[in-house]
Amino acid sequence: GQQVMQIPQYQHVQEGEDFTTYCNSSTTLSNIQWYKQRPGGHPVFLIQLVKSGEVKKQKRLTFQFGEAKKNSSLHITATQTTDVGTYFCAPSGGSNYKLTFGKGTLLTVNP
Amino acid sequence: GAVVSQHPSRVICKSGTSVKIECRSLDFQATTMFWYRQFPKQSLMLMATSNEGSKATYEQGVEKDKFLINHASLTLSTLTVTSAHPEDSSFYICSARDGVRGGGETQYFGPGTRLLVL
Repeated sequence: GQQVMQIPQYQHVQEGEDFTTYCNSSTTLSNIQWYKQRPGGHPVFLIQLVKSGEVKKQKRLTFQFGEAKKNSSLHITATQTTDVGTYFCAPSGGSNYKLTFGKGTLLTVNP
Repeated sequence: GAVVSQHPSRVICKSGTSVKIECRSLDFQATTMFWYRQFPKQSLMLMATSNEGSKATYEQGVEKDKFLINHASLTLSTLTVTSAHPEDSSFYICSARDGVRGGGETQYFGPGTRLLVL
């Protein structure tokens, strides 16, 4: 499967600060998806990136896919306490679009 | 749209018993369903992929005789943990892919089932 490294593993910020998590692969990815899992909850789909150099925004969230399609990032501007959770990147592949989850970045926000 | 349910949400059982977990796609037809296991503070690990009407494909290291998967219809898949032991205690999550309508790379996750084996 397609392995990805996700950093950092943990990030604690003050409310209002920015946050970024990075996802890196040694191989070229066909696409990458991002999920958010709140504590005690299940993963919720955020976005899928497919094109080289793609940038997508969802309100305060900005997702990027690298030019070489080997890395991706999620940036949150001015974090809020509702942003707390673990953010996973996951490339998909194969005939069944199987997902391979990164280890995730746990974000905690101090109000 | 694209809602996936799981039942039960939480189960406690004695060691040696079998536990069945159901995963249903409520408003779409799921040609493919996936079963994951997540230990505390860890990532999701894919256990198996099941396509409706065919045998499940298990990931390396997952015992097919211990984790029985049935995907008998386009809206229902079941995972049975046979002869459960304390080390099987975990959070089991299913997801479903809508391969009928196309654009099927997105997986919709169920709320998960917390299994505790005593």
